[in-house]
Amino acid sequence: EEQLVESGGGLVQPGGSLRLSCAVSGFTFSDYYMDWVRQAPGKGLEWIGRSRPKANGYTTEYAASVRGRFTVSRDDSKNSLYLQMDSLKADDTAMYYCARGYHSFDVWGRGTMVTVSS
Amino acid sequence: DIQMTQSPSAMSASVGDRVSITCRASQDISKSLAWFQQKPGKAPKSLIYAASSLQSGVPSKFSGSGSGTDFTLTISSLQPEDFATYYCQQYKSYPYTFGQGTKLEI
Repeated sequence: EEQLVESGGGLVQPGGSLRLSCAVSGFTFSDYYMDWVRQAPGKGLEWIGRSRPKANGYTTEYAASVRGRFTVSRDDSKNSLYLQMDSLKADDTAMYYCARGYHSFDVWGRGTMVTVSS
Repeated sequence: DIQMTQSPSAMSASVGDRVSITCRASQDISKSLAWFQQKPGKAPKSLIYAASSLQSGVPSKFSGSGSGTDFTLTISSLQPEDFATYYCQQYKSYPYTFGQGTKLEI
């Protein structure tokens, strides 16, 4: 069974940093595009970043709202996707989901909550 | 960026009803359109991709149609578990964008 499990969320002060992880099992992680999507409390879904597999040069894409502050990376040897979040703002408070980028987003994790507050 | 606009934003229906939700893209996205269902406190679930293709394991009561800029999600014979929020999403170009959601209530 394909499974994505996010971790690393928590409370962080404005201007701080946090690193989220997404552990993958049940499929060949190294073959797939992988994405991060977030959802602020009571709001809709926002795509924030993508990691392409080795076959596509490990390249990345970002939403304008996080470009330059967030970095998506992956470690195929650990079947893991990461989201390094720097210079965090109150507006970054959200549930963060990782998703497999196949046929849009076909498999999702349960999410990890990030709260940016002093 | 491509803007996705869903209508209605909320609607009420009864068990057994057939309902449709529409999604309009601000520019031509061909058939690069997906639909998701989200229940309170849960992760989104993929229902449809490529505008009309059903994700594996999704019941055939869900169907999608459209291409270009206008799309529709239809749910037949509503059951209590179908009451949720539904989102459309375009994956024609970056940044990928979602509609604002349609809350389907009893």
